[in-house]
Amino acid sequence: KNEVEQSPQNLTAQEGEFITINCSYSVGISALHWLQQHPGGGIVSLFMLSSGKKKHGRLIATINIQEKHSSLHITASHPRDSAVYICAVGSGSARQLTFGSGTQLTVLP
Amino acid sequence: DVKVTQSSRYLVKRTGEKVFLECVQDMDHENMFWYRQDPGLGLRLIYFSYDVKMKEKGDIPEGYSVSREKKERFSLILESASTNQTSMYLCASSFYRPSLYFGPGTRLTVT
Repeated sequence: KNEVEQSPQNLTAQEGEFITINCSYSVGISALHWLQQHPGGGIVSLFMLSSGKKKHGRLIATINIQEKHSSLHITASHPRDSAVYICAVGSGSARQLTFGSGTQLTVLP
Repeated sequence: DVKVTQSSRYLVKRTGEKVFLECVQDMDHENMFWYRQDPGLGLRLIYFSYDVKMKEKGDIPEGYSVSREKKERFSLILESASTNQTSMYLCASSFYRPSLYFGPGTRLTVT
């Protein structure tokens, strides 16, 4: 079973700062997901990637397959980015996703 | 847009009660999942279903059962609720690719 480690567990930033959240996993995968969970519980899928880099607005996700590592970057952070960010890795089907324990991000105005 | 709904956002039940959590998706997805989420542990898969009346145990099925009589609806049943089942329960659905759509979650408290 894949082990997924996220760092940091908690992150507090000032509005406008560049933020990086890291995810490492132990076993080869077919896809890695970044998810966002706002207070109240609902989870939204941000990215699914298997190589390289993806960008959506101020969010950028990168993955290095050889190093078994992914990063989620947020540029020009805003208080509305405050949420838990979860990394999940999979080996083919949604059944086989393993989730990290999440990074709690707080962006202060 | 895919919509996954759960029957309750908050639920308080007593030890020993039978509890039903319902999940409905509107995109004709084959796969549906029940997870629980606890601080520091991440999401853990309880059960999943890949078709009507088909189910498989996840990583932590003990104390739970499921029912999928219709494609759009997947129910999680706590036969006899216990305090260690106090948690956030999240339902999700997917088509034949590893991308999940989550419901809003049900925060269950068992007293």
